[in-house]
Amino acid sequence: SYELTQPPSVSVSPGQTASIACSGDKLGGKYVCWYQQKPGQSPVLVIYQNTKRPSGIPERFSGSNSGNTVTLTISGTQAMDEADYYCQAWDSNILVFGGGTKLTVL
Amino acid sequence: EVQLVESGGGLVQPGGSLKLSCAASGFTFSGSAMHWVRQASGKGLEWVGRIRSEVDSYATAYVASVRGRFTISRDDGKNTAYLQMNSLKTEDTAVYYCIYGEYVLDYWGQGTLVTVSS
Repeated sequence: SYELTQPPSVSVSPGQTASIACSGDKLGGKYVCWYQQKPGQSPVLVIYQNTKRPSGIPERFSGSNSGNTVTLTISGTQAMDEADYYCQAWDSNILVFGGGTKLTVL
Repeated sequence: EVQLVESGGGLVQPGGSLKLSCAASGFTFSGSAMHWVRQASGKGLEWVGRIRSEVDSYATAYVASVRGRFTISRDDGKNTAYLQMNSLKTEDTAVYYCIYGEYVLDYWGQGTLVTVSS
């Protein structure tokens, strides 16, 4: 079965740039989404089709897709961005999530 | 405003059955695919499956771990999606979320907790 791999944790200082990677076989040829989940809350879509932001998502959230790795970048990270982040893609009509990355804003 | 309200969760014994409901409002339910995603306590997200709209013949797809045990259905007249869960196992214990979206999980409900335990 298809797998997406994320680092378990990433730490960033307030105001700095956080990058969360997601890798998978031939991922560059797929559309990837990113979801943010804060403790006790439902996930929220923050990036879709690799680079697009839904309305209401701050411009500091951006995405990129290159080769077998996609990256969620948060510029000027704020304390409110501390959350779990999940990448997601489709493979053979099955939706797959990455294992999730806990972003800590120190 | 999009609203998705899950219900039907609870405690069930291993081998038992449970049916979850997802009441939707604020968007054209009949034209939308609906998904179920689950999350065990302290764990990551796992897609359970989805049902497409009538235009796409109500096609369903499931993750391997639930295929043959779980069934997703919908009633467009009631703006409601369902998840019928049979032959439940302890590893099915999780919060189950209902989501609307075709290839992107646009809006998520608040989830309902299913506990499979004797």
